[in-house]
Amino acid sequence: KAGVTQTPRYLIKTRGQQVTLSCSPISGHRSVSWYQQTPGQGLQFLFEYFSETQRNKGNFPGRFSGRQFSNSRSEMNVSTLELGDSALYLCASSLSGSHEQYFGPGTRLTVT
Amino acid sequence: GNSVTQMEGPVTLSEEAFLTINCTYTATGYPSLFWYVQYPGEGLQLLLKATKADDKGSNKGFEATYRKETTSFHLEKGSVQVSDSAVYFCALSDYTGNQFYFGTGTSLTVIP
Repeated sequence: KAGVTQTPRYLIKTRGQQVTLSCSPISGHRSVSWYQQTPGQGLQFLFEYFSETQRNKGNFPGRFSGRQFSNSRSEMNVSTLELGDSALYLCASSLSGSHEQYFGPGTRLTVT
Repeated sequence: GNSVTQMEGPVTLSEEAFLTINCTYTATGYPSLFWYVQYPGEGLQLLLKATKADDKGSNKGFEATYRKETTSFHLEKGSVQVSDSAVYFCALSDYTGNQFYFGTGTSLTVIP
């Protein structure tokens, strides 16, 4: 079974631009979560989607948004990029309520 | 609220040394507890888990016991190898199994 895939793996953007990251979960997994990983803050939860609905949300500004499609693939969008948004963005999928997440390799976003 | 606190690194050990990485948690209800490992350039991989008090999770020589009385889930390995060099994250999932909380990670370097 294929694992969680994320595209692109690396991205360089300029302040003020927007960016869209994509995540394809493991087949059959309908829950997708997004995390931001930075050296200073560690792993911070962004949001979780299940059946195209945002079910949980972390403490991030409205510039960070996401969505999930009917095939469970998910995208997250960051608008008006700031230097502090430079991070590794990780996606994880799970069977709902399974207490076990599987992570993708991440997208490394650099904002200049 | 829910949170995880783990010992700060970095930790440097010689090959075959004993490893302990401390992790304590705060949670409402009965969380499940996890250790994840992240190798350079990769996403997180589940190392082991425990779903109820006194459970012991184990994998690849690593062990951790769910201690409700001390709200702890310390990671141990009797004899580390160079290939164990990675960042280790302690995590918990809430009672729904849909939202996860991570510690800040502990970097381990094993030298020959």
